[in-house]
Amino acid sequence: AQKITQTQPGMFVQEKEAVTLDCTYDTSDPSYGLFWYKQPSSGEMIFLIYQGSYDQQNATEGRYSLNFQKARKSANLVISASQLGDSAMYFCAMREGRTNTGNQFYFGTGTSLTVIP
Amino acid sequence: GAGVSQSPSNKVTEKGKDVELRCDPISGHTALYWYRQRLGQGLEFLIYFQGNSAPDKSGLPSDRFSAERTGESVSTLTIQRTQQEDSAVYLCASSRAGGPGDTQYFGPGTRLTVL
Repeated sequence: AQKITQTQPGMFVQEKEAVTLDCTYDTSDPSYGLFWYKQPSSGEMIFLIYQGSYDQQNATEGRYSLNFQKARKSANLVISASQLGDSAMYFCAMREGRTNTGNQFYFGTGTSLTVIP
Repeated sequence: GAGVSQSPSNKVTEKGKDVELRCDPISGHTALYWYRQRLGQGLEFLIYFQGNSAPDKSGLPSDRFSAERTGESVSTLTIQRTQQEDSAVYLCASSRAGGPGDTQYFGPGTRLTVL
């Protein structure tokens, strides 16, 4: 089974509108972290936001917020007031809590976001 | 340094030649990862280092690929007898390691083109 699923290959949003990028995950580990990264056309991977599995509140970082629904195993990224510079690929990722037993960092296939002026 | 650095930024080579890609992680980061990203695709995990040991090499696509790391510092990914399908961006990331809040920070990547 896929550890991270991003079902939206491409999304469009009007400038200044909000947009939600979907992410669901699969793990039996009670301790895990969820991450979102942005990859603009320049190719760099930019860390955006982190949510821990035990965090009571949804994470927020400026215009980014993470809609964490633990029972549904979803970790959607919400971008408010979209800007043209938000056009990029967005990757959801998860790290399981077990350490030193191998790589437990998993990435989704990404969602391409285009902001329309 | 302030961030993860990789060299070279671009590498063009002929089929059959060997290449070495270098990654310099953030100081103090014990975990280091290599990924491959083909054009328009997602990240493909290659190998994970904890210190200078590699507990997970499961992503290396063939025995032409190898990687090593000296201490908790520089890592080198070597591709022998390159093939055209090796053309991709190779991304390195590092993290402190130790728990689920272990954020990976990425380098700018090396774009490899095999002619």
